[in-house]
Amino acid sequence: QKEVEQNSGPLSVPEGAIASLNCTYSDRGSQSFFWYRQYSGKSPELIMFIYSNGDKEDGRFTAQLNKASQYVSLLIRDSQPSDSATYLCAVGRGNTPLVFGKGTRLSVIA
Amino acid sequence: EPEVTQTPSHQVTQMGQEVILRCVPISNHLYFYWYRQILGQKVEFLVSFYNNEISEKSEIFDDQFSVERPDGSNFTLKIRSTKLEDSAMYFCAILPSSGGTDTQYFGPGTRLTVL
Repeated sequence: QKEVEQNSGPLSVPEGAIASLNCTYSDRGSQSFFWYRQYSGKSPELIMFIYSNGDKEDGRFTAQLNKASQYVSLLIRDSQPSDSATYLCAVGRGNTPLVFGKGTRLSVIA
Repeated sequence: EPEVTQTPSHQVTQMGQEVILRCVPISNHLYFYWYRQILGQKVEFLVSFYNNEISEKSEIFDDQFSVERPDGSNFTLKIRSTKLEDSAMYFCAILPSSGGTDTQYFGPGTRLTVL
């Protein structure tokens, strides 16, 4: 059974702070790792993807991958109230279906 | 970013009725996927579709579900006899045929309410 685990939160951070979201996965054969943002009642919106160990930065977002530890994280710098949403970690391999975590609810307090 | 539209945005139906959910990719695609998300729960895979046939399906995708490409562009999910527990958001996702990544892009979803 392929599992993706996330702390459901809520994670509350003050505006301007760094939000740190974490995810672990069970399938060692996983090759692709995604972070989606989901606002209430809306569809998942891609934030970042990462394939290789290490860090990948895109604007205020940094994804980190450690395949040995089966661990993925997302850092959001200078958090804004508009970042308040549920962040979904998803794991896959090629064209196989994505396996999602339950998501971490982030609340950025102004 | 590839675009996908879904219709209807909200469908209300009586238990036992058939519903058809539609997905229309705007851009080129390689694979189609249907996922669902019951309120408060994780996004779950239902079925994937490639080259006009089912590529993979989950345990959730039982005999009451079917998928089709009726006209070569639309991609439909049919639920034959809806149950209360089918109430969920249903998302279509695509894997584009270009771009060099295996990133799936999601449509806006259809909220299905079974009464």
